[in-house]
Amino acid sequence: GQQLNQSPQSMFIQEGEDVSMNCTSSSIFNTWLWYKQDPGEGPVLLIALYKAGELTSNGRLTAQFGITRKDSFLNISASIPSDVGIYFCAGRRGSGYALNFGKGTSLLVTP
Amino acid sequence: EPEVTQTPSHQVTQMGQEVILRCVPISNHLYFYWYRQILGQKVEFLVSFYNNEISEKSEIFDDQFSVERPDGSNFTLKIRSTKLEDSAMYFCASSDPTPNEQFFGPGTRLTVL
Repeated sequence: GQQLNQSPQSMFIQEGEDVSMNCTSSSIFNTWLWYKQDPGEGPVLLIALYKAGELTSNGRLTAQFGITRKDSFLNISASIPSDVGIYFCAGRRGSGYALNFGKGTSLLVTP
Repeated sequence: EPEVTQTPSHQVTQMGQEVILRCVPISNHLYFYWYRQILGQKVEFLVSFYNNEISEKSEIFDDQFSVERPDGSNFTLKIRSTKLEDSAMYFCASSDPTPNEQFFGPGTRLTVL
């Protein structure tokens, strides 16, 4: 599959802080998605992006589809302890069915 | 809210044995997928299934793997002769009306001894 580079690998922040993570690829994707995974569970879809430049929010989460279609970022504002988990970006090419996942960003939030 | 379900939650098997992992996708979805995640690593695509046939598969999905939709609700992944390196979490997912927003089940943890 296409290589997605996700950064940072991990983040350790205090409750109330804002968080930003991003994902880049050498290839173009037509769809970018962001998932959250809690330990021992399946990925949960947070946000889906379909158009270059698109900025979409879901509560305290905001994600953008990069203009070049090769990158995306996810922001979490005013973090809370339940934001703890691993956040994955995933991209899908227009002609394919597979989602290509990044390696994840592990987020720890201290009260 | 509709969700993907998977059984069993944990399967332990001996190397060389056959295993069948089961999934019930979201009821009105038409696209079905299997992914796997080796401990501590990223989620990897195995196969997608649409209109009663495989629509795409990865290089991981070799002749030891097969998928089936035996009835109107179940979707299965069979591994014919398990190897130690097949130990992983296996996730089923489904989507509709496009392959874009894929919803994942809770996973089956497969341990091959």
